[in-house]
Amino acid sequence: KQEVTQIPAALSVPEGENLVLNCSFTDSAIYNLQWFRQDPGKGLTSLLLIQSSQREQTSGRLNASLDKSSGRSTLYIAASQPGDSATYLCAVGGAAGNKLTFGGGTRVLVKP
Amino acid sequence: SQTIHQWPATLVQPVGSPLSLECTVEGTSNPNLYWYRQAAGRGLQLLFYSVGIGQISSEVPQNLSASRPQDRQFILSSKKLLLSDSGFYLCAWMGQAGSPLHFGNGTRLTVT
Repeated sequence: KQEVTQIPAALSVPEGENLVLNCSFTDSAIYNLQWFRQDPGKGLTSLLLIQSSQREQTSGRLNASLDKSSGRSTLYIAASQPGDSATYLCAVGGAAGNKLTFGGGTRVLVKP
Repeated sequence: SQTIHQWPATLVQPVGSPLSLECTVEGTSNPNLYWYRQAAGRGLQLLFYSVGIGQISSEVPQNLSASRPQDRQFILSSKKLLLSDSGFYLCAWMGQAGSPLHFGNGTRLTVT
């Protein structure tokens, strides 16, 4: 059974600092990996999707890497802003690609 | 463009009462549909998913059920709510397998 872990559960950084968020998974036979953002009381917004054959994916200030063999993904957010404060979740797609297993999330606070 | 509608946004129900949460998707056909629950302090738990009309897979034994009467409609139901059913319920859709997962805004259910 796939298990997805995100450590730390919470982190606080000053504005302008780069954010590094970690995600680890136990079964490397994945279809893809997605990163999401969740604001309090809201649904999840998809940020980046990395296919199992890819090593990284970029969108603006966001960059996500994937190392399938070691069971790890990292989300980098450059030059953090207070508006980046949210909970970030990673999710791993199973072999068929239509079921995701989620990590517990990392709650981020960017202080102005 | 595709949109997902989920209602109601909040719901307070007494123990033993029935439940019906509805989710509809616009702008796509034959989507994969999902119901997740997010309890306080816990991760996102997949409850049900559907790959087509009348096709429902249950992930967790519980007193909840799901139905998909139309291609883009997904309903979560219960005949008798328990206190432990309280939580944040999220509907989501995915196009072809392996594409991004898109969430609705969620329903906050409090069982009293």
